[in-house]
Amino acid sequence: AQKVTQAQTEISVVEKEDVTLDCVYETRDTTYYLFWYKQPPSGELVFLIRRNSFDEQNEISGRYSWNFQKSTSSFNFTITASQVVDSAVYFCALSEADDYKLSFGAGTTVTVRA
Amino acid sequence: DADVTQTPRNRITKTGKRIMLECSQTKGHDRMYWYRQDPGLGLRLIYYSFDVKDINKGEISDGYSVSRQAQAKFSLSLESAIPNQTALYFCATSDRKDKGETQYFGPGTRLLVL
Repeated sequence: AQKVTQAQTEISVVEKEDVTLDCVYETRDTTYYLFWYKQPPSGELVFLIRRNSFDEQNEISGRYSWNFQKSTSSFNFTITASQVVDSAVYFCALSEADDYKLSFGAGTTVTVRA
Repeated sequence: DADVTQTPRNRITKTGKRIMLECSQTKGHDRMYWYRQDPGLGLRLIYYSFDVKDINKGEISDGYSVSRQAQAKFSLSLESAIPNQTALYFCATSDRKDKGETQYFGPGTRLLVL
């Protein structure tokens, strides 16, 4: 069974619009970790953020913010005032404390048009 | 210099050929991973190694083998390449002392099997 679901395949916005990427996860562990990675057109995978299951405090980092809600098993990611450089594929991932292997969602392609 | 390097970055080979992809890291991490990425499927784990003497199969290990030559080096081999192994391959590392074990990825190797 897929552990991480990113229902949005593609999102296209005009520069300066906000973009929210959805991520829903599934786990039976009480301790787990959630991640967002960015894959720009050049292909590399860049780590953006990690959240622990025992810390539901949401975070803002510059134009990026994350909304972690255990009650709905969601870990959503928002880009505020998007820029063309934000165009990339964004992956949500989950690891469980018993083995730390990452399970990835299928990714959401974000296109920001000038 | 990059912390996680992969060679080659691009490779074209023919069906039936043996090919090796190499990964080196200078992060001092003890754990290393090989993933493949296919469009719409996210990343899937092929093999992982928690230390030089501990190598484990991931979810899609058939047709692949690995070698952990040293803590810093982890190679992936395709013994007899087939076209459906055409994909983008990533190496990653993590530190077991890092609670949550964020994985850091290399730049990827694009493999085309004709």
